[in-house]
Amino acid sequence: DSGVTQTPKHLITATGQRVTLRCSPRSGDLSVYWYQQSLDQGLQFLIQYYNGEERAKGNILERFSAQQFPDLHSELNLSSLELGDSALYFCASSVRAGPPYEQYFGPGTRLTVT
Amino acid sequence: GEDVEQSLFLSVREGDSSVINCTYTDSSSTYLYWYKQEPGAGLQLLTYIFSNMDMKQDQRLTVLLNKKDKHLSLRIADTQTGDSAIYFCAERYNSGAGSYQLTFGKGTKLSVIP
Repeated sequence: DSGVTQTPKHLITATGQRVTLRCSPRSGDLSVYWYQQSLDQGLQFLIQYYNGEERAKGNILERFSAQQFPDLHSELNLSSLELGDSALYFCASSVRAGPPYEQYFGPGTRLTVT
Repeated sequence: GEDVEQSLFLSVREGDSSVINCTYTDSSSTYLYWYKQEPGAGLQLLTYIFSNMDMKQDQRLTVLLNKKDKHLSLRIADTQTGDSAIYFCAERYNSGAGSYQLTFGKGTKLSVIP
């Protein structure tokens, strides 16, 4: 158990809909990262938040957005869903200060768009 | 962007050693990581190596780094059936403005034959 929690574990929804994925980082971790894992693209970095502020963006679509709240939990919002958005979405957290800067991953949310 | 390459499959007999290879592109990478993903689970950090090291040993795991060739390997001694999983190599690189990201390979699926 990494200490990172994600809800829900599974989500099935229809095209065009909007969903929210939730992540609680490890106690004391200030950074939260979101990743998308699909069979064809592998593990792709989406976005990072540090202590409530957006720090870096990766391959995140404009239909997707995220935020980190004062209690440090984070939500990833996916809207106008398409079949191709079906994937595993992982959240990871890390403590920013000091090496080796390892990221700890949650169990993931499996999103199925039908 | 940065690129990390891994072979997709490896099959070994129980008790043998497994060697999983990875190449990366960013010569300024400071840390390189190996993660393990079991079916239906998130990524578990196995080990990491700092770029000024050539080798790191951690129980049954040995990481070798050839910085000149940008080649990283993970050796698992006395491979067990419980080692069957997908192994991801990741490099930490500077994505600009003081932000560091991880780029992952597509993963090597290790199958251990009893």
